[in-house]
Amino acid sequence: GAVVSQHPSRVICKSGTSVKIECRSLDFQATTMFWYRQFPKQSLMLMATSNEGSKATYEQGVEKDKFLINHASLTLSTLTVTSAHPEDSSFYICSARVDGEGHEQYFGPGTRLTVT
Amino acid sequence: EDQVTQSPEALRLQEGESSSLNCSYTVSGLRGLFWYRQDPGKGPEFLFTLYSAGEEKEKERLKATLTKKESFLHITAPKPEDSATYLCAVQARGAGSYQLTFGKGTKLSVIP
Repeated sequence: GAVVSQHPSRVICKSGTSVKIECRSLDFQATTMFWYRQFPKQSLMLMATSNEGSKATYEQGVEKDKFLINHASLTLSTLTVTSAHPEDSSFYICSARVDGEGHEQYFGPGTRLTVT
Repeated sequence: EDQVTQSPEALRLQEGESSSLNCSYTVSGLRGLFWYRQDPGKGPEFLFTLYSAGEEKEKERLKATLTKKESFLHITAPKPEDSATYLCAVQARGAGSYQLTFGKGTKLSVIP
């Protein structure tokens, strides 16, 4: 149980284009999902908290107009990187908390974004 | 501000050589402390949640313990497949959205 999937696993895009990453909870409902980014040899940095049916909460320093988050159902959250630039290249990972259960988060396999 | 410090940054062990990883934390009221394992190019895999000082959890060769200031992940007779980065994270009481603050991790290499 508690499986989270992400799609795509890898994406290469040109500078100035937008990229959408999907995060799905496969066998549970998740009112709250989280988006992280991870640079090489560094830990996970929380970007935003995504709540079903409401606006996402962004961490300080994260541009909400650049990283658009939509959490339209209890099993799906999407992150859209708009007008991507090479500095947005990173490993993006989502996580989800199982509604009504413990406090741990279950993570997806991650999406490697490369902007050329 | 919540802080998590993990040590050592990297650890090389011979197969069968037991050791411990440390996670020191400061948090304004601990709701939970979490251990994850992360393999290269993959998302973290949940291992343990600890809620109160004195609590211990075990899974195969891993045992996690918690005090009021730190947590240890003990690895007994490790095997090469235990090689990974181990991440520690804390969640503060009153964090309505259940956010986690992560340490930088300990990269464990187990040599056959």
